[in-house]
Amino acid sequence: DVKVTQSSRYLVKRTGEKVFLECVQDMDHENMFWYRQDPGLGLRLIYFSYDVKMKEKGDIPEGYSVSREKKERFSLILESASTNQTSMYLCASRPDRGQSYEQYFGPGTRLTVT
Amino acid sequence: SQKIEQNSEALNIQEGKTATLTCNYTNYSPAYLQWYRQDPGRGPVFLLLIRENEKEKRKERLKVTFDTTLKQSLFHITASQPADSATYLCALDNDYKLSFGAGTTVTVRA
Repeated sequence: DVKVTQSSRYLVKRTGEKVFLECVQDMDHENMFWYRQDPGLGLRLIYFSYDVKMKEKGDIPEGYSVSREKKERFSLILESASTNQTSMYLCASRPDRGQSYEQYFGPGTRLTVT
Repeated sequence: SQKIEQNSEALNIQEGKTATLTCNYTNYSPAYLQWYRQDPGRGPVFLLLIRENEKEKRKERLKVTFDTTLKQSLFHITASQPADSATYLCALDNDYKLSFGAGTTVTVRA
């Protein structure tokens, strides 16, 4: 079974802190994604990566950056956390850019910025 | 602008009945459409994928239709059970990324 793990289920940070959210997948997938999920808005894509050291902006990249140094690991970075970044963050992976396979999601990290 | 709308935020049905969920989209031309299930506090789980040239897809008690003329997908849960209670998300292929609707929460009463 594909497994996508996220470093924390719950996280509380203060405004202005630098926050790292880690995601690891164990199925050698090329593609990895970071979403945030807010009530009534659904999942919105922040960043994605289709290869090591490659990244592309999603729909809402402002205030975020990402890092993919190894194929299995995709990190989301909040350079200076703000209260409007309080949300559920979901990581996903998917094999092979050319096909429309399903995405495999991690359990999510609920981040609260106070 | 692009938009994905799922018919209602919540759907309450009696056990044994069929739940029908709607996903409408504008300004997309998806080659595929997917449906996911999400339980509270968990990540979404893939259920079904339907391609633009497929009218209908079935998996056990689930059925999905895809009408590219109406720009609509219908998701049916037949003989519903309390265990089917969850939020269901539709997602459109958007240049191999996925764009998601906000979801419909289904509650099945015993």
